[in-house]
Amino acid sequence: KAGVTQTPRYLIKTRGQQVTLSCSPISGHRSVSWYQQTPGQGLQFLFEYFSETQRNKGNFPGRFSGRQFSNSRSEMNVSTLELGDSALYLCASSLMTGILEQYFGPGTRLTVT
Amino acid sequence: AQRVTQPEKLLSVFKGAPVELKCNYSYSGSPELFWYVQYSRQRLQLLLRHISRESIKGFTADLNKGETSFHLKKPFAQEEDSAMYYCALSENYGQNFVFGPGTRLSVLP
Repeated sequence: KAGVTQTPRYLIKTRGQQVTLSCSPISGHRSVSWYQQTPGQGLQFLFEYFSETQRNKGNFPGRFSGRQFSNSRSEMNVSTLELGDSALYLCASSLMTGILEQYFGPGTRLTVT
Repeated sequence: AQRVTQPEKLLSVFKGAPVELKCNYSYSGSPELFWYVQYSRQRLQLLLRHISRESIKGFTADLNKGETSFHLKKPFAQEEDSAMYYCALSENYGQNFVFGPGTRLSVLP
């Protein structure tokens, strides 16, 4: 099976702009979770989507949002970008909700200037 | 609130030596605990889960609820074990998921 894919792999944006990141889970996986990874804060859980519904949410401001489509693909959106949003954004998929055994994508490296 | 701590940022051991990567957690309920590993230029991947009670690549981890610890151990380290190791906790089957800060293991020849 193909692994989790994320697009784009690298992105440079300016403060104030918005960005959309995409994640395609492993075929048959219905849960997608998003994480932010930074040197200072480490890996932080953003949210989880299952069956097109947000099931769990981490402690991030409302500028961070996401959605899931009927084919389980997920997008994450960050509006009004801040310098501190520069990070590696990881997507992980699992068969069902509950984030038990997750498979991670390669990540999207977002740089905000 | 949940919290996962890994006291060592970097741990260096010689090949063939035992290794123990420490993980402590704070959570009032019954946690689900994991170890994830990231080898150089590879994706983050699950190494083992506490409920599986299995040994993966020679690594084992025992949940000690009294000490709220989930240390990762291997009796004889190999150079290919060099990687970043993250301890993680999930509550109530996915109600939030918290990673520790990670420990970089370096196995020296």
